[in-house]
Amino acid sequence: AQKITQTQPGMFVQEKEAVTLDCTYDTSDPSYGLFWYKQPSSGEMIFLIYQGSYDQQNATEGRYSLNFQKARKSANLVISASQLGDSAMYFCAMRERGGATNKLIFGTGTLLAVQP
Amino acid sequence: DSGVTQTPKHLITATGQRVTLRCSPRSGDLSVYWYQQSLDQGLQFLIQYYNGEERAKGNILERFSAQQFPDLHSELNLSSLELGDSALYFCASSPGQGVDQPQHFGDGTRLSIL
Repeated sequence: AQKITQTQPGMFVQEKEAVTLDCTYDTSDPSYGLFWYKQPSSGEMIFLIYQGSYDQQNATEGRYSLNFQKARKSANLVISASQLGDSAMYFCAMRERGGATNKLIFGTGTLLAVQP
Repeated sequence: DSGVTQTPKHLITATGQRVTLRCSPRSGDLSVYWYQQSLDQGLQFLIQYYNGEERAKGNILERFSAQQFPDLHSELNLSSLELGDSALYFCASSPGQGVDQPQHFGDGTRLSIL
């Protein structure tokens, strides 16, 4: 069964430093997509970055990059040059091509606090 | 702004009541998904519609129902409400059903049952 695991309930990082949020996944489907979402304290869910299972290169979007290690089934989010506005809950999610639904399976999230 | 509009933002009601949550997807998106976020269950998929047709059901209670209209907006109906239904309900949309298509979320409807 598909599963997403985020082992860091909370993390602190100093402003302007880089931080890595861990995500591991489990699936038997060779074709899948991995996503990261940000949820600030105001509650909305913001799409950050996508990585496809067949993508040869790691995805990047501005200060966000995804460290994709397929053999290890990990898809860690790297935020460079952290800003105070990055303080939020971050969710890793997966979607399978062969699944009966197109739903996203979410991890339990990591709460990131950026300190000045 | 994700382009997905959810109304209302907040709902406060009592046990046993019925409410309707509304969602307008991003322009051009045919797929609409409903998710429930609660402290104990996390983010759970409820139901998906594609171009007006139900495509998949997740952990949706029989007291809950949904539909997608010809103009592609969707409504989630929650009836016989219980205290445990208090949660943040999200609608998300994507152009189609491809695995590489991100789902863009609305701001959610926060439902509080008193």
